[in-house]
Amino acid sequence: DQQVKQNSPSLSVQEGRISILNCDYTNSMFDYFLWYKKYPAEGPTFLISISSIKDKNEDGRFTVFLNKSAKHLSLHIVPSQPGDSAVYFCAASAIGRDDKIIFGKGTRLHILP
Amino acid sequence: EAQVTQNPRYLITVTGKKLTVTCSQNMNHEYMSWYRQDPGLGLRQIYYSMNVEVTDKGDVPEGYKVSRKEKRNFPLILESPSPNQTSLYFCASSFEGINEKLFFGSGTQLSVL
Repeated sequence: DQQVKQNSPSLSVQEGRISILNCDYTNSMFDYFLWYKKYPAEGPTFLISISSIKDKNEDGRFTVFLNKSAKHLSLHIVPSQPGDSAVYFCAASAIGRDDKIIFGKGTRLHILP
Repeated sequence: EAQVTQNPRYLITVTGKKLTVTCSQNMNHEYMSWYRQDPGLGLRQIYYSMNVEVTDKGDVPEGYKVSRKEKRNFPLILESPSPNQTSLYFCASSFEGINEKLFFGSGTQLSVL
């Protein structure tokens, strides 16, 4: 039972354009969501997070949108840069329920010159 | 420098030979956890610890043990490794728990022959 789904294994975007990475979840108890970025041969690094009490959180070029009714979140990167080429993981947790974090399978983003 | 340190980076072993992967953090974090990353499966949580002497199972704990005798260290123990435990392992920590960003180590690539 995959509770956090990233249905696009890969995505290619032209440099300077918007990159949109999607994530769906099934567990309505999830109330905190995070995005991590991973380069080859390195550990994941935190990118941005959002609590279920919000529907948008912005940090520079990165914005995360949360649609609770659709159980869907998306990460927008504007403008996309070559250094954004990486694997992006969506993660979710249910604060107060347990202390587990569930990750999606990841989406590999390629920024094209 | 604030960091999570895993050792070793690479390990090749044989079935049944007990091994330990060490993890240490210097940020005085309460929460520590272990993940494995497999192709097509993303990151899956193995075990986590909310504090010293407090550990709990993640989603894929079978075949693994952990201990948290000191706040800074969280070793992962494979008592009798099997080939299906060949994977890329990551240790991570956060200040208080799952509602905060995780800091990841650089990973340990384990091959069990």
